[in-house]
Amino acid sequence: AQSVTQPDARVTVSEGASLQLRCKYSYSATPYLFWYVQYPRQGLQLLLKYYSGDPVVQGVNGFEAEFSKSNSSFHLRKASVHWSDSAVYFCAVSMDSGGSNYKLTFGKGTLLTVTP
Amino acid sequence: GGIITQTPKFLIGQEGQKLTLKCQQNFNHDTMYWYRQDSGKGLRLIYYSITENDLQKGDLSEGYDASREKKSSFSLTVTSAQKNEMAVFLCASSIRFPNSDYTFGSGTRLLVI
Repeated sequence: AQSVTQPDARVTVSEGASLQLRCKYSYSATPYLFWYVQYPRQGLQLLLKYYSGDPVVQGVNGFEAEFSKSNSSFHLRKASVHWSDSAVYFCAVSMDSGGSNYKLTFGKGTLLTVTP
Repeated sequence: GGIITQTPKFLIGQEGQKLTLKCQQNFNHDTMYWYRQDSGKGLRLIYYSITENDLQKGDLSEGYDASREKKSSFSLTVTSAQKNEMAVFLCASSIRFPNSDYTFGSGTRLLVI
């Protein structure tokens, strides 16, 4: 079964610093990969997604992620964080099962705190 | 733009009670989902519905029922609330295409006393 691991439950960075949130997946074939963000008392919002092609994908608000098949990873990055980026970030994976899969499997999330 | 509306936003129930959560979307999406979010455990799929007359169990369906009343609405019932249970239930929708991304509602927060 597919699984997603976000090894860091909490990350704290200073405003203006760079950011990397880690995500590793367990699946033998190439998965469909997503990053979502959840602000307090809200639902999840899509940041970016990877289906195929260029392993670096751009998302909203300056976020990007890089897919690595050799490392089974899909890490999220941002060059310079802002205090408003404080939120919970979820990595998710969907496996390609011949056109029949609708389910996303989510990691446990990483709580990002940006300090002044 | 569209919206997913979940009602109620907050729900306090008693042990053993049957509780119903509702979800409405106006994206005209075919596929809808119910996830449960617990602190430190991420999101777990309870039920989903690919089309209006479809119902599929997720990984956490025991203790829940679901109903897809029409294309725009999807309800979830907690069949017997467990004492001290506290979780957020998130509804989502997507186009009817495998491996699509989801649009989420803002959730129903449940507390059982």
